[in-house]
Amino acid sequence: DAGVIQSPRHEVTEMGQEVTLRCKPISGHDYLFWYRQTMMRGLELLIYFNNNVPIDDSGMPEDRFSAKMPNASFSTLKIQPSEPRDSAVYFCASSPLAGIDEQFFGPGTRLTVL
Amino acid sequence: TQLLEQSPQFLSIQEGENLTVYCNSSSVFSSLQWYRQEPGEGPVLLVTVVTGGEVKKLKRLTFQFGDARKDSSLHITAAQPGDTGLYLCAGDDQGAQKLVFGQGTRLTINP
Repeated sequence: DAGVIQSPRHEVTEMGQEVTLRCKPISGHDYLFWYRQTMMRGLELLIYFNNNVPIDDSGMPEDRFSAKMPNASFSTLKIQPSEPRDSAVYFCASSPLAGIDEQFFGPGTRLTVL
Repeated sequence: TQLLEQSPQFLSIQEGENLTVYCNSSSVFSSLQWYRQEPGEGPVLLVTVVTGGEVKKLKRLTFQFGDARKDSSLHITAAQPGDTGLYLCAGDDQGAQKLVFGQGTRLTINP
């Protein structure tokens, strides 16, 4: 299996622009998670899905952030409009049967908002 | 939300030395996981501990789960440069199907 795939790996954009991050989970995994990692705040859970349904979005910072999972093999995290404080590494992870089982992380997207 | 505190936050030692890092909480967890993250990559699971008092060994790494299932430790014997990375502990969040992660210990092993 190719593992969790994320794109792009790096994104540099200007404040106010829309940013879309993409994730392809491991086939057959029921859970998908979006995390944000910074030096100051560590690894923060933004939102997670079970069988394509959003279960908990309490970690989403504000209305500028939105996430979708239209099917079992694709998810997006969108930031509109982006701000410099959104600069971070964003990880997607998937888990086979339970959210508290081993999570398989993608390589991350490093986002820089100027 | 349950919190996990890891210490130390940063540790830099020489190759061949031993070290221990800690993961503590005031809450009880049904299980704890340890991940290692290398620069430019996502975290990768090292081990899961589920029973209070449990000890698991992975080559030179020894993981222990506290008797009360509130804390865990990771001991590395004869550290090598390849052990360099960010070590994260994670526990289940109050029965929800998600993990809460500690802030991590950033370990550097100098040749």
